[in-house]
Amino acid sequence: DAGVIQSPRHEVTEMGQEVTLRCKPISGHDYLFWYRQTMMRGLELLIYFNNNVPIDDSGMPEDRFSAKMPNASFSTLKIQPSEPRDSAVYFCASSFTGGGRTYEQYFGPGTRLTVT
Amino acid sequence: GQNIDQPTEMTATEGAIVQINCTYQTSGFNGLFWYQQHAGEAPTFLSYNVLDGLEEKGRFSSFLSRSKGYSYLLLKELQMKDSASYLCAGPSGNTGKLIFGQGTTLQVKP
Repeated sequence: DAGVIQSPRHEVTEMGQEVTLRCKPISGHDYLFWYRQTMMRGLELLIYFNNNVPIDDSGMPEDRFSAKMPNASFSTLKIQPSEPRDSAVYFCASSFTGGGRTYEQYFGPGTRLTVT
Repeated sequence: GQNIDQPTEMTATEGAIVQINCTYQTSGFNGLFWYQQHAGEAPTFLSYNVLDGLEEKGRFSSFLSRSKGYSYLLLKELQMKDSASYLCAGPSGNTGKLIFGQGTTLQVKP
C-alpha cells in the first residue's frame, strides 16, 4: 500500500483565499483524522471521521474550517477565507478498528500551508 | 479529564542510553502509543503497550505501568539519526482517537 496520501505538499496563498487540502487514507481503514501542527500548539486534532461520518469536530477552530469525506478513499479540509494564523502543517492520518482496541494511526506526509 | 505529560527537551550522547518518560490520565485505558517525528516529517508509529511491562524492539523498548499511569521509551546505543521528537499518545476511551502529548525533543550529540 502507498500509505496515506496528501496533496498538495506545500501551499502558499494570500489571506482571504480559499484553501483545499486533500487526503486519501490507507485502503481498508475506517477512521480518518485531520491534525494541525505548529511549534506553539503542537499536534492538534481538528476533526475525525468513522466510516465516512464526522464523529467529533470540536477541534475545528472556527466556521472558516470545514471537512468532508464523500467516500472511504477521499477527504478534504477546506479553509475559507484563509488567514495568516492558519499557517501550519496539516496532517491526515488513518487507522482501523477491530478486537475492541484502538489501533495505531498512520500519518500522511502533511501539507505545509503558508498564508501571507 | 485526559492529559498526557512528557518532558519538553532532552539531550544525550551518541552511543548512550536515554529514557523518555510519559505520564498519562485517560478515561477507559486502552493502551499507550509512542511515535517518532523527525523535523519536517510526519509522526511514525514506534510502539504500543497495553499490558504492564517492557516491550523490546531492537534498540527501542517501551515500558508501561497501568497502576502508576506511567510509561517510558528507552533508546539504546543512541545514533545521531535518533535526534527527533518523541510523542506519547493515549486512546480516548473507545472513540478511536488518540490524545497526544506535546512531544519530547531529543538531541543526540557526538
